[in-house]
Amino acid sequence: ETGVTQSPTHLIKTRGQQVTLRCSSQSGHNTVSWYQQALGQGPQFIFQYYREEENGRGNFPPRFSGLQFPNYSSELNVNALELDDSALYLCASSFPGYNEQFFGPGTRLTVL
Amino acid sequence: GESVGLHLPTLSVQEGDNSIINCAYSNSASDYFIWYKQESGKGPQFIIDIRSNMDKRQGQRVTVLLNKTVKHLSLQIAATQPGDSAVYFCAETPPGGSYIPTFGRGTSLIVHP
Repeated sequence: ETGVTQSPTHLIKTRGQQVTLRCSSQSGHNTVSWYQQALGQGPQFIFQYYREEENGRGNFPPRFSGLQFPNYSSELNVNALELDDSALYLCASSFPGYNEQFFGPGTRLTVL
Repeated sequence: GESVGLHLPTLSVQEGDNSIINCAYSNSASDYFIWYKQESGKGPQFIIDIRSNMDKRQGQRVTVLLNKTVKHLSLQIAATQPGDSAVYFCAETPPGGSYIPTFGRGTSLIVHP
């Protein structure tokens, strides 16, 4: 059984650009959640996808969007990047009805 | 808004000691709580959870205590080992079954050999 994987590991962008982050869920998990973790802070919930539909959203602007594919892999897209978007972006997969979320190692995004 | 927070940002202990990490939560409606461990360069890892109808739950070397009266959560680690060094987060989830946790800021546990 493979764990949650994310790509890329690190990314540097400039303000105003767009970025796409990718996540492969743990085998058998059809729910994926994305989190933003600023340095020294706990992860903040961005949104969750279940069976390719958004299933909950945190307090993030519409320029944060996502997709989930039939194989349950997922993307996080961020448009018009701002300096404050610099953070570790975490993906977590889970099986509906089960509490435990399995986190990937994250993508470190730096916006200059 | 309501949030989850931790009392101590850093806790240093000697190997073999017992560690206690505390957490205060503010949403009295939260009915499910989780402790996560995050090592450097990794995502958070589930340690132990507890529901609001319990006040204590034990795992392997870890115990979580829940005091709903004062909205306090603690994680006890017995015989702390260097491999326990990490940032520990408590998280709460509201009722409704979404299991979307709200994380606190975290406590850094440093275990000295």
